Amino acid sequence: DQQVKQNSPSLSVQEGRISILNCDYTNSMFDYFLWYKKYPAEGPTFLISISSIKDKNEDGRFTVFLNKSAKHLSLHIVPSQPGDSAVYFCAALTQGGSEKLVFGKGTKLTVNP
Amino acid sequence: GAVVSQHPSWVICKSGTSVKIECRSLDFQATTMFWYRQFPKQSLMLMATSNEGSKATYEQGVEKDKFLINHASLTLSTLTVTSAHPEDSSFYICSATGQGHEQYFGPGTRLTVT
Repeated sequence: DQQVKQNSPSLSVQEGRISILNCDYTNSMFDYFLWYKKYPAEGPTFLISISSIKDKNEDGRFTVFLNKSAKHLSLHIVPSQPGDSAVYFCAALTQGGSEKLVFGKGTKLTVNP
Repeated sequence: GAVVSQHPSWVICKSGTSVKIECRSLDFQATTMFWYRQFPKQSLMLMATSNEGSKATYEQGVEKDKFLINHASLTLSTLTVTSAHPEDSSFYICSATGQGHEQYFGPGTRLTVT
C-alpha cells in the first residue's frame, strides 16, 4: 500500500519554462510534506517543505502547493535550469509521531537546454 | 549548516565478512538518525530508526541481527552489515534530524559484496 504516490516517473521540460512535479498521498494523518532532490549515487538534498496549516510555501525558484482536500501537493520550479535535472522525491510525515518519512518513488526531471 | 557525512563512500567486501558504515552529523546534534537502502531505480526504503542511547527500531522485514545499528552519541550512528552476501549489495544512506522535521541526508555508501 503506497501512501505517497508520484505517478509520473519522468518529466522533460525546456530550460526557462516551468516544471511541475506532482505528488498524491492517501494517509490523512500526514501533516508535513517535504521535497528532496537526488542525483545518482548521492544522498537526497532537502529542497522545501510545507506544513498542512499552509497551502503554499515559496523559496526562490521553488514553490510547493498543498491541496489538503484533494490530498495533493505539487512542486513548481520556475524558471527551470539544466542543473535542476535530477530525481525529485516527495515525502510526508505525521508531526508528533516517529518522524519517519514516507517517500514517493520519485520523478526524474530532465531540463533541456 | 546541517551537514551529514558518511564513511566510507564505497566499499567492496567478500561474502561472509562484515562491513561497518559510519554516519556523522557534522554541525548539529542529531537525536534521531535513520538508515535507508536504495535499490536501482527505486525509492528509498527505511531500514531502521536510531535514537541516541537506545536500541534501534527496525522496519518490518529488516533483520536486526544482520544489520546492527549503534547510536553511541548525538553525532554518530553506525550500521554494520554482518556476514554480508551479494544480495546485500546496495546503496545505503543515512539521515539525521535536528530541531525541525527536515531530515538531512548523508552522501550514501555503495556496498558491493563479491
